[in-house]
Amino acid sequence: DAGVTQSPTHLIKTRGQQVTLRCSPKSGHDTVSWYQQALGQGPQFIFQYYEEEERQRGNFPDRFSGHQFPNYSSELNVNALLLGDSALYLCASSSSSGSPYFGPGTRLTVT
Amino acid sequence: AQSVTQLGSHVSVSEGALVLLRCNYSSSVPPYLFWYVQYPNQGLQLLLKYTSAATLVKGINGFEAEFKKSETSFHLTKPSAHMSDAAEYFCAVSEGDNFNKFYFGSGTKLNVKP
Repeated sequence: DAGVTQSPTHLIKTRGQQVTLRCSPKSGHDTVSWYQQALGQGPQFIFQYYEEEERQRGNFPDRFSGHQFPNYSSELNVNALLLGDSALYLCASSSSSGSPYFGPGTRLTVT
Repeated sequence: AQSVTQLGSHVSVSEGALVLLRCNYSSSVPPYLFWYVQYPNQGLQLLLKYTSAATLVKGINGFEAEFKKSETSFHLTKPSAHMSDAAEYFCAVSEGDNFNKFYFGSGTKLNVKP
């Protein structure tokens, strides 16, 4: 079992650009959540996908959007990148009422 | 609303000494509490969780935590620190019993001195 996988590992983008991050959940998991972890801080909840729909959303602007595919994998898209979007983006997968498993993250640097 | 406060952004102990990492929570509903560990350049690994069963919860790597409702606390302890315990530790509270949304504390970096 590969666990939760995320790609790419690292990414450098310029202000104003758009970025797509990808997540494959742990086998048997159908729910994917995304978190943003800024340097020196704890992760903050962005949103969660279940059955290909956004089920819950945290306090993030509409520039942050996502998608879940029929195979349960997910994408996080961020438009019009700001310097403040630089962070480690964590994906977590879970099954119903199960504890989430976190992936290794994608480190996004916006210059 | 749920929130978590971790007292002490950095804790340093000697190898073999007691580890105590503090976590206090605020929750408008019965809380579900978690401790995660993060090693450098890695994601979060679940150490243990409290889900309204026993108040003393045992986790991996010799860690345990005690839920104290009267103190709204869920402190993490380990009797004897190992060098391999050096990492950042996060306390989190779940919004609801289906673990859909977690609120994390700001983390405590544990340094273990030889």
